[in-house]
Amino acid sequence: QKEVEQDPGPLSVPEGAIVSLNCTYSNSAFQYFMWYRQYSRKGPELLMYTYSSGNKEDGRFTAQVDKSSKYISLFIRDSQPSDSATYLCASNTDKLIFGTGTRLQVFP
Amino acid sequence: NAGVTQTPKFRVLKTGQSMTLLCAQDMNHEYMYWYRQDPGMGLRLIHYSVGEGTTAKGEVPDGYNVSRLKKQNFLLGLESAAPSQTSVYFCASSYEQDNYGYTFGSGTRLTVV
Repeated sequence: QKEVEQDPGPLSVPEGAIVSLNCTYSNSAFQYFMWYRQYSRKGPELLMYTYSSGNKEDGRFTAQVDKSSKYISLFIRDSQPSDSATYLCASNTDKLIFGTGTRLQVFP
Repeated sequence: NAGVTQTPKFRVLKTGQSMTLLCAQDMNHEYMYWYRQDPGMGLRLIHYSVGEGTTAKGEVPDGYNVSRLKKQNFLLGLESAAPSQTSVYFCASSYEQDNYGYTFGSGTRLTVV
């Protein structure tokens, strides 16, 4: 079992939709949780990070961590075609462990 | 502000050939990492370094060697390339055990035929 699991998608939504991206993890020692966005043929870039349980909001993006159920979520409000990318969740003890990524396509 | 720079961006190798991928960072980061990314497998750690002159094995180190002679550079070597090493390779760097994420390069797309 991978330490971080993620549905690979693809997920296809119309512009303006609310998108929910999810991961589960197995290591109770994980404290920091990150979301990376990766455009086609580019390197991953850090989108958001959270510490322990709770929510963090940044513009149209909200990251949510539920440590009791070992569940990580990223919500995108008013999705735009420019949000089309692969989204990777990650967490760490001494090194980052990544999920496999979910490919999102937002169509006009 | 270059961040993390990887060279080359693309390469085609024949089975058995050798090559070196170069990663350079200008952020004075202590830690550097080499990942490979394959469809359905996500990012897998090959080797990493916690400082100049140090290296350590990651999840999938076989067939690769690394060196960190200078703090800003991290080299990944393939001594005898195999088709199974066809992948996209990403270098990343961070401050010590950075809990706020890594900075990635733009990748090297390697094909071994």
